[in-house]
Amino acid sequence: DQQVKQNSPSLSVQEGRISILNCDYTNSMFDYFLWYKKYPAEGPTFLISISSIKDKNEDGRFTVFLNKSAKHLSLHIVPSQPGDSAVYFCAARISGSARQLTFGSGTQLTVLP
Amino acid sequence: DVKVTQSSRYLVKRTGEKVFLECVQDMDHENMFWYRQDPGLGLRLIYFSYDVKMKEKGDIPEGYSVSREKKERFSLILESASTNQTSMYLCASSSGTRNIGYTFGSGTRLTVV
Repeated sequence: DQQVKQNSPSLSVQEGRISILNCDYTNSMFDYFLWYKKYPAEGPTFLISISSIKDKNEDGRFTVFLNKSAKHLSLHIVPSQPGDSAVYFCAARISGSARQLTFGSGTQLTVLP
Repeated sequence: DVKVTQSSRYLVKRTGEKVFLECVQDMDHENMFWYRQDPGLGLRLIYFSYDVKMKEKGDIPEGYSVSREKKERFSLILESASTNQTSMYLCASSSGTRNIGYTFGSGTRLTVV
């Protein structure tokens, strides 16, 4: 049972345009959401997060939006750059849970020059 | 610079061999995790540990075991390697139950032939 879903395995965007990566979840107990970025042959690195009490968090070119009623979050990258090409994982956390993060299946973003 | 170190970047093993994957963190983190990453399946949790000598099964523990004799070291053991265990293996660590996010190692690409 996938509690965190990323339904788009891949996304291609032109350099300078907006990239929108989507994530859906089913567990109402999740209280924190994170996005990780992964390059080939490297471990994932933390990108941006959002608490369930907020609906938006912004960090430079990256903005995460949370719609709790729809159990949906999205990551916006504006403007997209070729160096943003990577796999992006959505993750969710239940407060106090020892196993902590549940990850989605990832979306491969390709930014075309 | 704090880090999670995985002992090997690439490994090739034969079917039936016993395989040890080592992970060491220098951040005094309580929690450590082993994931495998496969295309289309994202990051799947194999085992995790929230204290020395403690271990918990994740979503796909079959064919694996773990050992945590010291706080900084978490080993993943493939008792009898099989070709379906060919994958990218990622170790991660985190602090306590309130900390947000993990620090990942660079991964070990294991090929079983």
